[in-house]
Amino acid sequence: EAQVTQNPRYLITVTGKKLTVTCSQNMNHEYMSWYRQDPGLGLRQIYYSMNVEVTDKGDVPEGYKVSRKEKRNFPLILESPSPNQTSLYFCASSLSTLAGVLNEQFFGPGTRLTVL
Amino acid sequence: AQSVSQHNHHVILSEAASLELGCNYSYGGTVNLFWYVQYPGQHLQLLLKYFSGDPLVKGIKGFEAEFIKSKFSFNLRKPSVQWSDTAEYFCAVNAGAGSYQLTFGKGTKLSVIP
Repeated sequence: EAQVTQNPRYLITVTGKKLTVTCSQNMNHEYMSWYRQDPGLGLRQIYYSMNVEVTDKGDVPEGYKVSRKEKRNFPLILESPSPNQTSLYFCASSLSTLAGVLNEQFFGPGTRLTVL
Repeated sequence: AQSVSQHNHHVILSEAASLELGCNYSYGGTVNLFWYVQYPGQHLQLLLKYFSGDPLVKGIKGFEAEFIKSKFSFNLRKPSVQWSDTAEYFCAVNAGAGSYQLTFGKGTKLSVIP
């Protein structure tokens, strides 16, 4: 089954304790992206990756890191989480962009993160 | 940078009523436009998209949207809603060729009363 998976689905942690949220897709998509969803703010893009070893900042990259060493995986790293990073996080992937056109994105199930 | 405005935060309709959700974007160049839906407890899925051509696009589940370039709008419509359409709807814009960012609106929550 074609899908985007995220782990963990739920995480409660404390301020300053490094964490990684994994994202994996089995559709051979070049493009992957991370979003956070907060009530009243919709989804905001954190980072995206056009291909292996190619990443760029979205609208809200502060406090996050990403890496894209393999095509299927795009982990989100919080080096020193803070309470304002409490949110619902979605990973998404998309077919290769033709002439730079961003195609339909397929979303993972979400990771609900609470930072105390 | 592009931005997206969705005019209604929460819309409440009775079954069989017609629906129109507003979406305006601010970007002067070529854009690609999307509507995504998030059913309760589920992840986002694509309803429809516009890249070029006919400005009236049809999506899944009877939804359609009209791109009006002069108004920078991409409103979502459905002639007769069902209780199962209860969800949150997000408009999103990508600033055309060469841009890999996707900007979402804040979302409109639709509640359909049986």
